[in-house]
Amino acid sequence: QSALTQPPSASGSPGQSVTISCTGTSSDVGGYNYVSWYQQHPGKAPKLIIYEVSKRPSGVPDRFSGSKSGHTASLTVSGLQAEDEADYYCKSYAGSNNFVFGTGTEVTVL
Amino acid sequence: EVQLVESGGDLVQPGGSLRLSCAASGFTLSNYWMHWVRRAPGKGLVWVSRINVDGSGTGYADSVKGRFTISRDNAKNTLYLQMNSLRAEDTAVYYCVREAVPGGLDPWGQGTLVTVSS
Repeated sequence: QSALTQPPSASGSPGQSVTISCTGTSSDVGGYNYVSWYQQHPGKAPKLIIYEVSKRPSGVPDRFSGSKSGHTASLTVSGLQAEDEADYYCKSYAGSNNFVFGTGTEVTVL
Repeated sequence: EVQLVESGGDLVQPGGSLRLSCAASGFTLSNYWMHWVRRAPGKGLVWVSRINVDGSGTGYADSVKGRFTISRDNAKNTLYLQMNSLRAEDTAVYYCVREAVPGGLDPWGQGTLVTVSS
């Protein structure tokens, strides 16, 4: 159960796009379409922003989008806004009733 | 309003035990798989455990297998995490979370802090 690999940090100016990768193996990201993404602001509880690779829960802006290719999932935040500055985590089903989170990415809006 | 409220976090000595509780409101607990997730100070989110709707199926992270037990009482709308043989590395904020959609965890409680230290 090794953590999925995410870049430690990413940044962009307001209005730009930023893409965060989440790399796993054939036993997790590559084997299932149960990849989800979470946003966590300092001192707050995490919030679900993407599930089943690319689906958005009700109320999540369409600026957030998800995709997957092989063993790597990606989250793209388009039209960056100041409130998007937060930590982002991916999570994948890993089989046999197990799950694994990514290492987390700190997004900075310049 | 759908809400999850964790309790039971405390300061405990290494080797000690603690039971966390999570009170659910605003939805029928028995309809959902439930999870525990933790975040250690300065570290990232780590999945801990999952339980199916009637408690007959569970899963655990390797780091807690054999020491932690997840359970639920649907009649009381409450989820539990029994933690035994606690180690310093178990120090974290523990979150109770509903699996609202396949693989998607929502909402999250505010968490309860467990500190393992002598």
